[in-house]
Amino acid sequence: AQSVTQLGSHVSVSEGALVLLRCNYSSSVPPYLFWYVQYPNQGLQLLLKYTSAATLVKGINGFEAEFKKSETSFHLTKPSAHMSDAAEYFCAVSGSSASKIIFGSGTRLSIRP
Amino acid sequence: EPEVTQTPSHQVTQMGQEVILRCVPISNHLYFYWYRQILGQKVEFLVSFYNNEISEKSEIFDDQFSVERPDGSNFTLKIRSTKLEDSAMYFCASRLATGSNTEAFFGQGTRLTVV
Repeated sequence: AQSVTQLGSHVSVSEGALVLLRCNYSSSVPPYLFWYVQYPNQGLQLLLKYTSAATLVKGINGFEAEFKKSETSFHLTKPSAHMSDAAEYFCAVSGSSASKIIFGSGTRLSIRP
Repeated sequence: EPEVTQTPSHQVTQMGQEVILRCVPISNHLYFYWYRQILGQKVEFLVSFYNNEISEKSEIFDDQFSVERPDGSNFTLKIRSTKLEDSAMYFCASRLATGSNTEAFFGQGTRLTVV
């Protein structure tokens, strides 16, 4: 079985500051890991994915995430926050390329001017 | 760029009525999913569909729910007798699921309001 835990339901950072959103996963098989972003009243958009290639994954909008098997983590980072980054971010895991994707509870990112 | 489309974007229905939510997945994708998101809560898996049959379903997906791929392009979710607690955003997703193409592509969602 797979699951993800997102630490912090709400994170607030200043514009230009580092963004760090935490995600820990649990999986009985090598996982596929994803970060999705949801802007207000919109659907889910893929930011980046880990599929057992490089452990440091670069995504859209300047985001990246590092897969750390020893820590069972897949934290999302961005060096410098922009006001447009304000959204809900979901970490997700899948046990295979075909099985369901399980979402974390989400982290709402707010950006202070 | 190919995308998953869902209709309608918003549906209001009376309790006890049947609703059908419609989705057109990306054309060459093989796996299809329905998820729901109650306002302010997490995205919950409902059902996955492959090769014209349900491959997995959650506890939420009880006898009131059904899915169908009637014509090879549409993928529908039917709720037979809606309850107030069915009010949520429903997302359809599709997935190619070969090689490294493992991500699911989501539609914009249908907001279902049961009154």
